Amino acid sequence: DTAVSQTPKYLVTQMGNDKSIKCEQNLGHDTMYWYKQDSKKFLKIMFSYNNKELIINETVPNRFSPKSPDKAHLNLHINSLELGDSAVYFCASSRTPGTSGRFYNEQFFGPGTRLTVL
Amino acid sequence: AQSVTQLDSHVSVSEGTPVLLRCNYSSSYSPSLFWYVQHPNKGLQLLLKYTSAATLVKGINGFEAEFKKSETSFHLTKPSAHMSDAAEYFCVVSDRGNTPLVFGKGTRLSVIA
Repeated sequence: DTAVSQTPKYLVTQMGNDKSIKCEQNLGHDTMYWYKQDSKKFLKIMFSYNNKELIINETVPNRFSPKSPDKAHLNLHINSLELGDSAVYFCASSRTPGTSGRFYNEQFFGPGTRLTVL
Repeated sequence: AQSVTQLDSHVSVSEGTPVLLRCNYSSSYSPSLFWYVQHPNKGLQLLLKYTSAATLVKGINGFEAEFKKSETSFHLTKPSAHMSDAAEYFCVVSDRGNTPLVFGKGTRLSVIA
């Protein structure tokens, strides 16, 4: 059983298009995240949602908009795609930090979506 | 603010020899520390985590890491490398539960037959 799943796995599109990446987790977690991994493998947090509310929004262009229809899903919409958006996007989930008796933040990652903008 | 430095971008070892991947961290609070592994074209898998219990942490696939507060280090070791260990390894720090994970830039481990 897949814990954190993402679709699609690969996404190739033209500049200027609008696209979405879906993420679902079946772990019962109530916090979900989106990360971007650039061509040098550097991973950076983009967004964090807790119980469907945005709690972290790093410096990300407003062309990127996360949407959480429920606690198990966090989708990423990207408008007016640019060449620089090409990257691997990872979704992750965790229990609400602090609820496990210790303020740590073990996150479970999806397999990633490789986005290529032409 | 927290940060993490992985001291080697690439480590190459022979199969059967020990592995050492170095990580230093900076944190304003008692940190939580993690090592994640990413195999080619795959997602990230948690290898092990330190959360203020024992300072020597055992993970999956024979990996260990030791938290040394005096040295602000959390180096990853394995006594004997296997070909399947070839991957990208990320050291990760979290100050407190409600702050984002901060990733190091990764260390690529190559294992030579």
